[in-house]
Amino acid sequence: DTEVTQTPKHLVMGMTNKKSLKCEQHMGHRAMYWYKQKAKKPPELMFVYSYEKLSINESVPSRFSPECPNSSLLNLHLHALQPEDSALYLCASSQDLIVGRRDGYTFGSGTRLTVV
Amino acid sequence: AQSVTQLDSQVPVFEEAPVELRCNYSSSVSVYLFWYVQYPNQGLQLLLKYLSGSTLVKGINGFEAEFNKSQTSFHLRKPSVHISDTAEYFCAVTLPYNTDKLIFGTGTRLQVFP
Repeated sequence: DTEVTQTPKHLVMGMTNKKSLKCEQHMGHRAMYWYKQKAKKPPELMFVYSYEKLSINESVPSRFSPECPNSSLLNLHLHALQPEDSALYLCASSQDLIVGRRDGYTFGSGTRLTVV
Repeated sequence: AQSVTQLDSQVPVFEEAPVELRCNYSSSVSVYLFWYVQYPNQGLQLLLKYLSGSTLVKGINGFEAEFNKSQTSFHLRKPSVHISDTAEYFCAVTLPYNTDKLIFGTGTRLQVFP
């Protein structure tokens, strides 16, 4: 299995809702990443996890809450989002942080989030 | 700080023509360089990377890129494009040390016409 699987593919949520995005990989990778991509823009790093511990938080608002319950799974919990949070949320993984710098990342297909 | 510049936001080209997508980077230290492709409504797929050694690197789907240290460039080329190459292309860099951020350029939209 050489894929990063993200669910759901599409999500529409209201500003008062609580929802979660899920990312799963079975490649034995120990580094996982969340990126946010607005339309016609490059991906922007949100969080980095290394061996299930949060390594980088790029000053992301607290309405986004990441969780890494095990080495294969990465969640992004969403609460009280704003319409400007509508974007494509991409998950990625690499063997570890050092290998990731050298070899790049494997990306999932993303979750298209619309906040209404 | 490191940065990546993709000067061309859009590149239109006819099928079977050659194409070059330009990428320049700014860094005071050595970097690793990558090209990713993003098809509509998809994630990013790694096309090729440069770490060290030979300055000409070959990737998937017939793409290649040439690293030029003096010009701090890493341009992507394909001798003959197909309709299926229509996509967004991102140049990116990482540092070998001290940071775990993949820094992307703003992207180039390659549009291949029949």
